[in-house]
Amino acid sequence: DTAVSQTPKYLVTQMGNDKSIKCEQNLGHDTMYWYKQDSKKFLKIMFSYNNKELIINETVPNRFSPKSPDKAHLNLHINSLELGDSAVYFCASSQVDPGTGSNEQFFGPGTRLTVL
Amino acid sequence: AQSVAQPEDQVNVAEGNPLTVKCTYSVSGNPYLFWYVQYPNRGLQFLLKYITGDNLVKGSYGFEAEFNKSQTSFHLKKPSALVSDSALYFCAVRAHNYGQNFVFGPGTRLSVLP
Repeated sequence: DTAVSQTPKYLVTQMGNDKSIKCEQNLGHDTMYWYKQDSKKFLKIMFSYNNKELIINETVPNRFSPKSPDKAHLNLHINSLELGDSAVYFCASSQVDPGTGSNEQFFGPGTRLTVL
Repeated sequence: AQSVAQPEDQVNVAEGNPLTVKCTYSVSGNPYLFWYVQYPNRGLQFLLKYITGDNLVKGSYGFEAEFNKSQTSFHLKKPSALVSDSALYFCAVRAHNYGQNFVFGPGTRLSVLP
């Protein structure tokens, strides 16, 4: 069974459009994340979210917004897409170990977004 | 502020030889340190982590990493490389008192040559 899934796998769209990427995790984790990986493979966190707190990376444009219908889902909505938004977007989830305070992340397979 | 450096963009090693992928970090306070591997067109996979205690941690696929507090390093190692280890490797850090956010290094591409 897939632990963290994303849809779609590929997304090709025109500048100015609005699109969403869906993410679901079946691990029972309490925190989910969105990352952007650019063409040079740099990985940048965009958001982390649990049922208590949304942390937004201050460099992320407000055209990007996370939406969480429930604990197992964190969707990424993007308004007015720009050429520079082309990248691979990864969803991830984690659960803090109460004994150690640590948490490793489990990543989805990624969504390759191409803006034309 | 947290930061991670991986000084080598590319590491080449012959199959059967030992490999090392370097990582240094900067955090305020004690770190949680992680290594992830990314195969082509795939998401990142967790390899191992350092929380506290023994400086040498062992992980998946025969990999291990050594935490060195004085040098603020967490180098990834494997005694004998396999061609199938060829991938992109990311080091990541999170401070104990810094919420849930991780900082990833820029990645190191490992090529194991047959």
